[in-house]
Amino acid sequence: AQRVTQPEKLLSVFKGAPVELKCNYSYSGSPELFWYVQYSRQRLQLLLRHISRESIKGFTADLNKGETSFHLKKPFAQEEDSAMYYCALFDNYGQNFVFGPGTRLSVLP
Amino acid sequence: SAVISQKPSRDICQRGTSLTIQCQVDSQVTMMFWYRQQPGQSLTLIATANQGSEATYESGFVIDKFPISRPNLTFSTLTVSNMSPEDSSIYLCSAGIVNTGELFFGEGSRLTVL
Repeated sequence: AQRVTQPEKLLSVFKGAPVELKCNYSYSGSPELFWYVQYSRQRLQLLLRHISRESIKGFTADLNKGETSFHLKKPFAQEEDSAMYYCALFDNYGQNFVFGPGTRLSVLP
Repeated sequence: SAVISQKPSRDICQRGTSLTIQCQVDSQVTMMFWYRQQPGQSLTLIATANQGSEATYESGFVIDKFPISRPNLTFSTLTVSNMSPEDSSIYLCSAGIVNTGELFFGEGSRLTVL
């Protein structure tokens, strides 16, 4: 079955430190993976998608099919990065999205 | 991109009553979904809203409890029927275009059932 896991419920780092939010998936097919972010009092929004291979707000994510992972990384965390981050997979068979449980990132001053 | 408007943004309801949440998208989209988000928890897909036909429900959700309509490409409603305190949650409408694979979200409707 299609599944997305994010092992860390909460991740706290100091400003300027590197951050990595882990995401693993199980999917029988070629996955389309995304990271969504929800800042305090804002709606959920797309951060980045793996097919774009882009860096958004300093964040990058590489799809590793061997490890079935799509970890989100940023070399130097900023306080404004504090938010809830969700890893998501688009299920081509069911034509819907499967979301991970989310990781709350807290960047401390 | 798509802007999604949801209403009501919040409501306090009595046990046993029903409430309908409306979702309006400002552009034509192919996919519309309804999610539930418990405080501090992830998104749980309730159903896919299908235009002009019955919604596709996920395991644990049934049409009698969560009837959904989608009369056209840009509008959908979710009704939470015969509410109990366990239904207290944030209900999110989302929409997207299948080719882009990107989902846009409404601000959510926070329901509190007393």
